Amino acid sequence: DAGVTQSPTHLIKTRGQHVTLRCSPISGHKSVSWYQQVLGQGPQFIFQYYEKEERGRGNFPDRFSARQFPNYSSELNVNALLLGDSALYLCASSGLGLAGVNTEAFFGQGTRLTVV
Amino acid sequence: GIQVEQSPPDLILQEGANSTLRCNFSDSVNNLQWFHQNPWGQLINLFYIPSGTKQNGRLSATTVATERYSLLYISSSQTTDSGVYFCAVESQTGANNLFFGTGTRLTVIP
Repeated sequence: DAGVTQSPTHLIKTRGQHVTLRCSPISGHKSVSWYQQVLGQGPQFIFQYYEKEERGRGNFPDRFSARQFPNYSSELNVNALLLGDSALYLCASSGLGLAGVNTEAFFGQGTRLTVV
Repeated sequence: GIQVEQSPPDLILQEGANSTLRCNFSDSVNNLQWFHQNPWGQLINLFYIPSGTKQNGRLSATTVATERYSLLYISSSQTTDSGVYFCAVESQTGANNLFFGTGTRLTVIP
């Protein structure tokens, strides 16, 4: 079985541009979450989607948006890129267990975004 | 949100030595996971352990949920164990996402 796949693996963008990152979850998982990891820190939560609905949102500006498709894959969009958006963007795939608790999360290899 | 503290922040070991990494959290949790992040950024799942004890080869983990901490034990360390170890928790109250600690950077020298 394929794990969580993300594309592209690396990306260089100019300030002010927009970017779209993509993620395909593990087969059978209906939840996708996005995290941002800047150098030297732990990942920070951006969004979670479950069954195409937003289930949670972290403390990120409205320049960040996401969506989930009927096949449970997801896109993260970032508009008006800033230098500070340079980071590793990680996608996690999980299921939903009893009482709405997330099951074990598995991460993709990440997309390394550099804004110049 | 929930606070997650990991210690020590940095650890240097001789190959073959044992180590214990600690994760403290400030609220009751539904979910606790330990990850190893390799130099390429990939987060590798080590344990899904909201409570109890688990073992996998040279690694084991214990979570004492009532006292809000988890320990990761690495025995007979190898150079391939080097990297950053993260603890991540999902709070029972509030957001349905993982909160990560700041990590422990482990360096194993031959």
